Amino acid sequence: DGGITQSPKYLFRKEGQNVTLSCEQNLNHDAMYWYRQDPGQGLRLIYYSQIVNDFQKGDIAEGYSVSREKKESFPLTVTSAQKNPTAFYLCASSGRDRGNTIYFGEGSWLTVV
Amino acid sequence: AQSVAQPEDQVNVAEGNPLTVKCTYSVSGNPYLFWYVQYPNRGLQFLLKYITGDNLVKGSYGFEAEFNKSQTSFHLKKPSALVSDSALYFCAVRDGGFGNEKLTFGTGTRLTIIP
Repeated sequence: DGGITQSPKYLFRKEGQNVTLSCEQNLNHDAMYWYRQDPGQGLRLIYYSQIVNDFQKGDIAEGYSVSREKKESFPLTVTSAQKNPTAFYLCASSGRDRGNTIYFGEGSWLTVV
Repeated sequence: AQSVAQPEDQVNVAEGNPLTVKCTYSVSGNPYLFWYVQYPNRGLQFLLKYITGDNLVKGSYGFEAEFNKSQTSFHLKKPSALVSDSALYFCAVRDGGFGNEKLTFGTGTRLTIIP
């Protein structure tokens, strides 16, 4: 089945540790995104990439890093510099349909303990 | 700059009644408008979109939305609500200018259908 796969679904991290969230898509989409979701605040864009080996900061990039070495993959690293990392993280991608519709993965819960 | 507002945090509707979830937007160019639904602990699912053409857009699960340019609105509607429609709904907007990949989301409206 075509889709966007995020892993792990649940992740616990100790303060001071970096963690990496995986995102893989087999939709042949050029663009990929990472969003953070907090209760009552909707979705906020962390990073996005429109092409391999290129990415741009979104609205809340501080404390996060990404790479785009392959078209299918867009991992997100939450570094120890991110002051409040506990959140629901959503990966998404978009192709070249009318309006460049964005499709989402199932999300990953990160909890700092 | 582009923005979207969902003025109601919570909407309650009796099962079988029509439902409306409100959305207004602001863009400098032509708007591309989207509705998504989110169930607990899940990702967002695409429901429908307006790009150009007919102001009434039909989407998944019997939902539809009406684009109103003069009121800068894109309200989500369904003629008869089901209990299974209970979820969190997000409106989103993109300025349709070339090269703009960023989609801006509203803060969401929690829809509860009462049996």
